[in-house]
Amino acid sequence: SQKIEQNSEALNIQEGKTATLTCNYTNYSPAYLQWYRQDPGRGPVFLLLIRENEKEKRKERLKVTFDTTLKQSLFHITASQPADSATYLCALGRDSNYQLIWGAGTKLIIKP
Amino acid sequence: ETGVTQSPTHLIKTRGQQVTLRCSSQSGHNTVSWYQQALGQGPQFIFQYYREEENGRGNFPPRFSGLQFPNYSSELNVNALELDDSALYLCASSYDPQGASYGYTFGSGTRLTVV
Repeated sequence: SQKIEQNSEALNIQEGKTATLTCNYTNYSPAYLQWYRQDPGRGPVFLLLIRENEKEKRKERLKVTFDTTLKQSLFHITASQPADSATYLCALGRDSNYQLIWGAGTKLIIKP
Repeated sequence: ETGVTQSPTHLIKTRGQQVTLRCSSQSGHNTVSWYQQALGQGPQFIFQYYREEENGRGNFPPRFSGLQFPNYSSELNVNALELDDSALYLCASSYDPQGASYGYTFGSGTRLTVV
């Protein structure tokens, strides 16, 4: 069955540095991949979407890459701030099926 | 835009009971999806409604059912509650079923506890 792996341990980053989160998948061929941010007790908030034919997407301090050969997506936050502390989730989808498959998320902690 | 609102925010039910959770979609969105999220896990897809018709279903039993209404609101009904149904239930709306344009807009969820 399909499997999505994200760093299970919390990622501690010093303020101002670049945070890099990984999303690896197996037994699945997604047409697109989405990244979300989730704060405690809240629903996920959409950040970026990247399609299988795109290598990289950027939005302000955020950058996501998608390597279908490695079956991996990397999510970068540059010039990180304590307000970026949250759990970040990746989700994979196909155009033929509207069911998103989600990773368990990585907790990011930005220390001042 | 008012976003997605869910009610109630918290709920405690007894095993075997039935529950109805409600969701008001963001204006202009014609698609609503429901997810179950256990603590420390990613959301699990329950089902999706597009223009008032069920458009896809995840690996959940028939006692999980739903409705979408013409005013964008939606309901999730769960019959014969089990202890394992305790979770955060999330409603998400979007402009298109894949959320391929602007992703999905989630509500803050309903925390259901079954005792």
